[in-house]
Amino acid sequence: EAAVTQSPRNKVAVTGGKVTLSCNQTNNHNNMYWYRQDTGHGLRLIHYSYGAGSTEKGDIPDGYKASRPSQENFSLILELATPSQTSVYFCASGGDWGESEQFFGPGTRLTVL
Amino acid sequence: QQKVQQSPESLSVPEGGMASLNCTSSDRNFQYFWWYRQHSGEGPKALMSIFSDGDKKEGRFTAHLNKASLHVSLHIRDSQPSDSALYFCAASGATSSGQKLVFGQGTILKVYL
Repeated sequence: EAAVTQSPRNKVAVTGGKVTLSCNQTNNHNNMYWYRQDTGHGLRLIHYSYGAGSTEKGDIPDGYKASRPSQENFSLILELATPSQTSVYFCASGGDWGESEQFFGPGTRLTVL
Repeated sequence: QQKVQQSPESLSVPEGGMASLNCTSSDRNFQYFWWYRQHSGEGPKALMSIFSDGDKKEGRFTAHLNKASLHVSLHIRDSQPSDSALYFCAASGATSSGQKLVFGQGTILKVYL
């Protein structure tokens, strides 16, 4: 089964600090995604990537940057964290086609104080 | 307005009962529909997909798609306590360059004894 791992699983940060969330996938998928999950909003796409070296803006990219240094790794970066970015963040990987399944990691719970 | 709307927000059914979840999209470009299930503390996991009009049955789960009305439903018969979870409807369009899923806000299902 496809495997997506995330680190850290929990993170407490201070307002204005820098936060980096990491994701690793072992299924050799070209596409990787970062979502945040908030009650009442479902999963919202922040950034995604079609392959190593590429990043694309999703639906809510403001305040976030992404980095895809390799096929396996995809990072989400909060340069200046704010309390509104307190949320649960999920990374996913998936195939190239519209009918491809996405495989999700276990999530990172981020609290910005 | 979200492109994928789910109803109800929450649902309680007795063990052995039938649970029915609904999803309506507002984008006629959507061609592929998924149901994802998320248990507490875990990442979402694909439950089933449906790409053609009509019914698709997998064990106790039946999905129904009506592309003309952009309506998708999920029916769970003989509901079990282990079915208690957050269910997401998700949709994507045709693509060969990296799938993007749009998620609904979710339906919380509780199966009680």
